[in-house]
Amino acid sequence: IQLTQSPSSLSASVGDRVTITCRASQGISSYLAWYQQKPGEAPKLLIYAASTLQSGVPSRFSGSGSGTDFTLTISSLQPGDFATYYCQQFNTYPLTFGGGTKVEIK
Amino acid sequence: EVQLVESGGGFVQPGGSLRLSCAASGFTFSDHYIDWVRQAPGEGLEWVGRSRNKVNGYTTEYSPSVKGRFTISRDNSKNSVYLQMDSLQTEDTAVYYCARQMSIVGTTPFWGYSDYWGQGTLVTVSS
Repeated sequence: IQLTQSPSSLSASVGDRVTITCRASQGISSYLAWYQQKPGEAPKLLIYAASTLQSGVPSRFSGSGSGTDFTLTISSLQPGDFATYYCQQFNTYPLTFGGGTKVEIK
Repeated sequence: EVQLVESGGGFVQPGGSLRLSCAASGFTFSDHYIDWVRQAPGEGLEWVGRSRNKVNGYTTEYSPSVKGRFTISRDNSKNSVYLQMDSLQTEDTAVYYCARQMSIVGTTPFWGYSDYWGQGTLVTVSS
């Protein structure tokens, strides 16, 4: 299953609302996770089961969608949110990741 | 505290072999799936393979890109998972992470979503 993230990169300011999409090449129910990765660090789980916020993750992060279309939203971008974001599907082997979305400072 | 620590990375020539280790602590190891994920320099994340938990017979899954060359095993007495990499190619150059999978109990149990990750170990394949 191919996951297509868009955009591949974006520039935004602190306080902006940011939306990242992940489209699956076939239905994956809600078996989708979102991760944040900063340079030199391991990825960090933000959202699982498409819309469940991982413990300890700020509530400005939210996820939605099912089937083939999914969205990660950051309601008010904070300085620590500038990073690369990846989606991953857990519905079908081989598990696959999206290509990533790099969120940069405008 | 849940911890995963990878080791064993290094430099190897094409066609060579390397064995990575992932030492786990802070949780009941036999209850959880463990995945291997890699990231080539400057690139995105790629799922490599999986070791299932005790309930699911410690069976394994692999990405087509490594199937037949890589083998995942686990030693529950040492709370460790291993990634044996044979017939290495230059395109296997990457940081390799191990990641614990969540165990979600319910009407239909589900094991997935990487909630804890190791720090990664770099494998460089070059002549």
